[in-house]
Amino acid sequence: NAGVTQTPKFQVLKTGQSMTLQCAQDMNHNSMYWYRQDPGMGLRLIYYSASEGTTDKGEVPNGYNVSRLNKREFSLRLESAAPSQTSVYFCASGGQSFYGEQFFGPGTRLTVL
Amino acid sequence: AQSVAQPEDQVNVAEGNPLTVKCTYSVSGNPYLFWYVQYPNRGLQFLLKYITGDNLVKGSYGFEAEFNKSQTSFHLKKPSALVSDSALYFCAVRDLGSSNTGKLIFGQGTTLQVKP
Repeated sequence: NAGVTQTPKFQVLKTGQSMTLQCAQDMNHNSMYWYRQDPGMGLRLIYYSASEGTTDKGEVPNGYNVSRLNKREFSLRLESAAPSQTSVYFCASGGQSFYGEQFFGPGTRLTVL
Repeated sequence: AQSVAQPEDQVNVAEGNPLTVKCTYSVSGNPYLFWYVQYPNRGLQFLLKYITGDNLVKGSYGFEAEFNKSQTSFHLKKPSALVSDSALYFCAVRDLGSSNTGKLIFGQGTTLQVKP
């Protein structure tokens, strides 16, 4: 089992460019999540998908869109990148029950110039 | 509103000494609490969780956590620290206001430095 995979690992964008971060899980989890991690701020939830076909905003959704393509895949899109979106992005899956933990991907380090 | 706090940005401990990483929480119902570890340039790894029952929870890599309802705390502990335990540690609480979505609320993280 690969667990949660993310592509790309690193990306540099110029302000105004767009890109899509890809995430896939092979654990048959219903729920998937996108977080950003910034120094001193912990992890902040951008969007989540509680089940295939549904998506909801998290704490910091502005400037992002998501697509739950199927049960395995959950993508995050930046339509017009801004320097404030420079961050490390993590995808996670699982945790749907009250007792379930989330499983994290290795992350994407994004720099917006 | 649910929240979790990690009052220390960094904890320093000598190898072989016991370590404690602190976490306090605020929830409106029964707390479901988690600890994760993040090694440099890696994703978060699950260490342990408290759901109900015994207040001392044992997890991966020799870590354990003590749930204290009266003090609303869930401190992470290890009897004898290793240099390889040096990492960033996150406490998280289940968001009870989010129905069945499994959302977690994370603390800001505590950097653990274990010196030889």
